[in-house]
Amino acid sequence: EIVLTQSPATLSLSPGEGATLSCRASQSITSYLGWYQQKPGQAPRLLIYDASNRATGIPARFSGSGSGTDFTLSISSLEPEDFAVYYCQQRSNWPHTFGQGTKLEIK
Amino acid sequence: QVQLQESGPGLVKPSQTLSLTCTVSGGSFSSGGYYWSWIRQHPGKGLEWIGYIHYSGSTYYNPSLKGRVTISLDTSKNQFTLKLSSVTAADTAVYYCAREDGYNYWKYWGQGTLVTVSS
Repeated sequence: EIVLTQSPATLSLSPGEGATLSCRASQSITSYLGWYQQKPGQAPRLLIYDASNRATGIPARFSGSGSGTDFTLSISSLEPEDFAVYYCQQRSNWPHTFGQGTKLEIK
Repeated sequence: QVQLQESGPGLVKPSQTLSLTCTVSGGSFSSGGYYWSWIRQHPGKGLEWIGYIHYSGSTYYNPSLKGRVTISLDTSKNQFTLKLSSVTAADTAVYYCAREDGYNYWKYWGQGTLVTVSS
């Protein structure tokens, strides 16, 4: 199974700042990576698919990049509602796997 | 808009079978050829994909669950069901049902249901 490793585990930033979250795959997954946001008590929400494509209704401040084994989710200017846990997920191979998450918290 | 809703017992005894149903509204299994999945989240932890059923009836389960999983479809009721046998406390989690977006990303989710395994 493909292991996804996210870093950092926790990121402390202030509203208005930019955020960079990383996800590394244990083997190449070409561009088959998605990003999700999860808030407490809610189901995850798909933000980015195939590494760099925003899902429907996702604000332009969210962007994704990368290919092969190294991927990045960037948030250009943090809004208060962006503080949450973010997960990456690969669809290259079954079983689909998720990273362990990065908690984005208010500094 | 597709909506999913999980239902089932919130408490299951060790060694028994956990059974959950996902009811789908706003779309049917016979349209679109999508994959429908169960995904769980242990308390305070990350996400674990359990398995899928395709509208054709084909299934694939996470090997980590060692043959304890069965997912089935009832198209007449617009439902799919998860059965997880021989549960232990390690199976205590929030269980989500989800549908992919056509690209094998999980776009539509139920709100999740907490299942506790305890005697």
